[in-house]
Amino acid sequence: DTEVTQTPKHLVMGMTNKKSLKCEQHMGHRAMYWYKQKAKKPPELMFVYSYEKLSINESVPSRFSPECPNSSLLNLHLHALQPEDSALYLCASSQVTGNTIYFGEGSWLTVV
Amino acid sequence: DAKTTQPTSMDCAEGRAANLPCNHSTISGNEYVYWYRQIHSQGPQYIIHGLKNNETNEMASLIITEDRKSSTLILPHATLRDTAVYYCIVLSNTGKLIFGQGTTLQVKP
Repeated sequence: DTEVTQTPKHLVMGMTNKKSLKCEQHMGHRAMYWYKQKAKKPPELMFVYSYEKLSINESVPSRFSPECPNSSLLNLHLHALQPEDSALYLCASSQVTGNTIYFGEGSWLTVV
Repeated sequence: DAKTTQPTSMDCAEGRAANLPCNHSTISGNEYVYWYRQIHSQGPQYIIHGLKNNETNEMASLIITEDRKSSTLILPHATLRDTAVYYCIVLSNTGKLIFGQGTTLQVKP
């Protein structure tokens, strides 16, 4: 059972909407991650946070804006998305970067 | 980042051992081999990891060759619920976990 909790599980949004995906962990982990997964493809790394600071941005478009308000929470703010951004968004955490990474169940996003 | 090569798909009979191979010939000396699996529509699940020695836990065994250029994940008694995509990944020194295409394991009755 995963201890990384993602909300909402499903989200449908229009291209002009602003929405957020939320991720929470209470394992005391200090590294958190966002991945994007399209259908029948492997997960792709988007962002890495280490000690609440953004350490890796894999050239993700600015319409995706991550935020780490504290060590337990990671948000992904969404604005002006395109239909091709529809995917499963996965949050993950690890004790520190380089340690075992644990994933949440993901948030299914549909952009209409 | 060290890349891995896995067969695209494999079949296994229920109750038999499933042996999933992985090549990682460019792995560095301090990089770990990780295995995850992903059952349809769920988040990836951590299975096991290792550096040099063979490892075993309640889910699986990991056999790493002496030169560390390849490894094998063993599910000792596969069940239908083990049907999934299995990813072999080398965790980079930067902490980036980069997924390859993985192996789709189909366990058949």
